[in-house]
Amino acid sequence: NAGVTQTPKFQVLKTGQSMTLQCAQDMNHEYMSWYRQDPGMGLRLIHYSVGAGITDQGEVPNGYNVSRSTTEDFPLRLLSAAPSQTSVYFCASLAAGADTQYFGPGTRLTVL
Amino acid sequence: GENVEQHPSTLSVQEGDSAVIKCTYSDSASNYFPWYKQELGKRPQLIIDIRSNVGEKKDQRIAVTLNKTAKHFSLHITETQPEDSAVYFCAASSSGTYKYIFGTGTRLKVLA
Repeated sequence: NAGVTQTPKFQVLKTGQSMTLQCAQDMNHEYMSWYRQDPGMGLRLIHYSVGAGITDQGEVPNGYNVSRSTTEDFPLRLLSAAPSQTSVYFCASLAAGADTQYFGPGTRLTVL
Repeated sequence: GENVEQHPSTLSVQEGDSAVIKCTYSDSASNYFPWYKQELGKRPQLIIDIRSNVGEKKDQRIAVTLNKTAKHFSLHITETQPEDSAVYFCAASSSGTYKYIFGTGTRLKVLA
């Protein structure tokens, strides 16, 4: 089991560019989520999904889109990057009926 | 809205001393309280958790206590070692909602 994987590890974008952060898990977990981590602010939930075809907004969804076409994949799209989106992004997954959430290794994004 | 407050934001202790980190939650429906440890540049890793039907849980040098009436829970690390130096996050969740609310983190430094 690879667990939760994320690509890329690092990314630099210019303001206005778009990109997709990839997240995949091979544990057949129903629940997946995206967090951003900023200094002094902990982990804030961006979007989450309780299964294929179902997504919902978290605390800080503006500027981000998600889709969940398969159980394994949960990509996060930035349509027009802004400097305020400079952050470390973590994907996580959780099995239905369980409580323990597993995190991916993170993507460090810098928007210039 | 739902909120988790975590204190202190930084904590320095001498090697061998104890460290205590405290969290308070607002949502009375919360019934699952995990603690994560995050080393520099790494993903958050679950170190211990507690459910609302239990008041205390121990795992070697780590313990967590929960006071449901006061809505607060604490992480206790005894006989601290330099490798305990990291950022620690508390979180609160309600079973079945799959939504975690994280505290803002505590940077623990264990001085040799």
